[in-house]
Amino acid sequence: GAGVSQSPSNKVTEKGKDVELRCDPISGHTALYWYRQRLGQGLEFLIYFQGNSAPDKSGLPSDRFSAERTGESVSTLTIQRTQQEDSAVYLCASSLELTQYFGPGTRLTVT
Amino acid sequence: AQSVTQLDSQVPVFEEAPVELRCNYSSSVSVYLFWYVQYPNQGLQLLLKYLSGSTLVKGINGFEAEFNKSQTSFHLRKPSVHISDTAEYFCAVTRIQGAQKLVFGQGTRLTINP
Repeated sequence: GAGVSQSPSNKVTEKGKDVELRCDPISGHTALYWYRQRLGQGLEFLIYFQGNSAPDKSGLPSDRFSAERTGESVSTLTIQRTQQEDSAVYLCASSLELTQYFGPGTRLTVT
Repeated sequence: AQSVTQLDSQVPVFEEAPVELRCNYSSSVSVYLFWYVQYPNQGLQLLLKYLSGSTLVKGINGFEAEFNKSQTSFHLRKPSVHISDTAEYFCAVTRIQGAQKLVFGQGTRLTINP
């Protein structure tokens, strides 16, 4: 079956612009996660959805970051007024039980 | 809170040699443990996981890992590596009660030389 998909695969934006990153989870997966991977570093948790509610937003680095999810489907991560330190690969994962399945990521470059 | 330490940022080995990638964790509660692999320009793929039962778990591509609760370790091993094993390897944990986010180590870059 289809895996987790993310779009766009690459995004270059100017500092100060807003960006939206999209994640399509595996069908039927109730949980969805966003992580950030900065160059040469491990993955940092950003936010977790169970259905369309977000019981854990503790990883969002600032109020410029927000996310929403439609039902048990698509999720969008929005970064407002992007800064250079936002440059990273943003990974989405979904799960039904314990194992998280990751998408290929969106590489965001802020110039 | 949980934390994960991968003791080696880079591990170079020759093809067909054995390899061990070290992972230690810290947690005040019981955890599940995972190893993920990230091949160049690809997403993360699950290698193996420890949930319960036998402390020696086998994964894909000939990898195995051993959970040692007393030493809070979950080291990854392979008896004979191939060029195709060149990748970044990440150790991760999640708490058992209300398992949610994964907490990752910084990663170990495994480079296989011919």
